[in-house]
Amino acid sequence: DIQMTQSPSTLSASVGDSVTITCRASQDIVTWLAWYQQRPGKAPKLLIYKASVLEGGVPSRFSGSGSGTEFTLTISSLQPDDFATYYCQQYNGYPYTFGQGTKLEIK
Amino acid sequence: EVQLVESGGGLVQSGGSLRLSCLASGFPFSHYSLNWFRQAPGKGLEWVSSISNTGTSTYYADSVRGRFSISRDNAKNSLYLEMSSLGVDDTAVYFCAREITYWGQGNLVAVSS
Repeated sequence: DIQMTQSPSTLSASVGDSVTITCRASQDIVTWLAWYQQRPGKAPKLLIYKASVLEGGVPSRFSGSGSGTEFTLTISSLQPDDFATYYCQQYNGYPYTFGQGTKLEIK
Repeated sequence: EVQLVESGGGLVQSGGSLRLSCLASGFPFSHYSLNWFRQAPGKGLEWVSSISNTGTSTYYADSVRGRFSISRDNAKNSLYLEMSSLGVDDTAVYFCAREITYWGQGNLVAVSS
């Protein structure tokens, strides 16, 4: 199975800051990587797929990059709505696997 | 508008069975593969099972293989997850999803010992 290692597990930031979350795959997944945002009690929301493609309706302050085994999610100019938990997921093959999640908190 | 609505969850005793359903609308159901994911209370996301658009190919996480069965009825725009030999570790909110893009709101399955 492909292991996804996401860091940090918790991130404290202020409105207006830029933050970066990293996800590392245990083997090459090309660009078969998705990023989700999840708010408490809600379903995950797809933000980015194929490592860098922004899902429709997602604000442009979200961006993804990377290929192979190293990936990043960057959120620029944080808004109050952005404080949530973020997950990476590889869908290169089964079993699909997720990172452990990053909880983005207000400083 | 794409919608996925899960149902069938609830409280069940350890060793019991349950069938989850997911009713889809707003897209050509038979064109897409579908997934079940789950999230234990306070924990991260876990992929459970997938089924191809025709239903001919199915895939399972090791943790559920042999106990869970995924199926679909393209005439009814419905996805199913038959769960048996349930254990407390299966307690989670279960989400159906169209590929990785659209997710349902989730349905709680609670297994008591």
